Amino acid sequence: DTGVSQNPRHKITKRGQNVTFRCDPISEHNRLYWYRQTLGQGPEFLTYFQNEAQLEKSRLLSDRFSAERPKGSFSTLEIQRTEQGDSAMYLCASSSEGAVMNTEAFFGQGTRLTVV
Amino acid sequence: AQSVAQPEDQVNVAEGNPLTVKCTYSVSGNPYLFWYVQYPNRGLQFLLKYITGDNLVKGSYGFEAEFNKSQTSFHLKKPSALVSDSALYFCAVRPVPRAGNNRKLIWGLGTSLAVNP
Repeated sequence: DTGVSQNPRHKITKRGQNVTFRCDPISEHNRLYWYRQTLGQGPEFLTYFQNEAQLEKSRLLSDRFSAERPKGSFSTLEIQRTEQGDSAMYLCASSSEGAVMNTEAFFGQGTRLTVV
Repeated sequence: AQSVAQPEDQVNVAEGNPLTVKCTYSVSGNPYLFWYVQYPNRGLQFLLKYITGDNLVKGSYGFEAEFNKSQTSFHLKKPSALVSDSALYFCAVRPVPRAGNNRKLIWGLGTSLAVNP
């Protein structure tokens, strides 16, 4: 499977615990995005990387959230001291920057986080 | 502020009938336009895009979309709906790349399509 892969698919955690999600983008894609989606809503932008550089982080993202893409390939999203409001689907997407025609982002299946 | 509007929260159509899911946008210039579909508990799947050229673009699963610059709309259409088309549909817009523009997608809130047998 050469699509975007996210792990785990589901995560249930107790409030206050830390969680980490992983995203493996399509191999030749240099851009990687993290989004959050709650039920009945569209994706909410969190952050994005071009190669290993984190170029933007949403103001909605508190200091408890951090993302890395150390080698410009896979990325991790960590949430520290989780709160019930963090419960959502976390989506990763990747795209190829450069060629005009290859502008669409491809999404993974998402990681559904439930904080209890 | 740049925005994307999907004026209908839900669209109901009978199987075999044509369907339209509406999208309008407020973004300067000539942005890139996209439609994505999301099935329950799944990620988003790319359907089609408009970059330039013919205003009618064709995509996956028999869907097409019509770009109308004067109305700043990009409505999704399908001539004959299937029950399996029932899903959540998102319109997204990406501003034209410029210096300082991070080019992230601006999303509509989604339209739930229900195709009844």
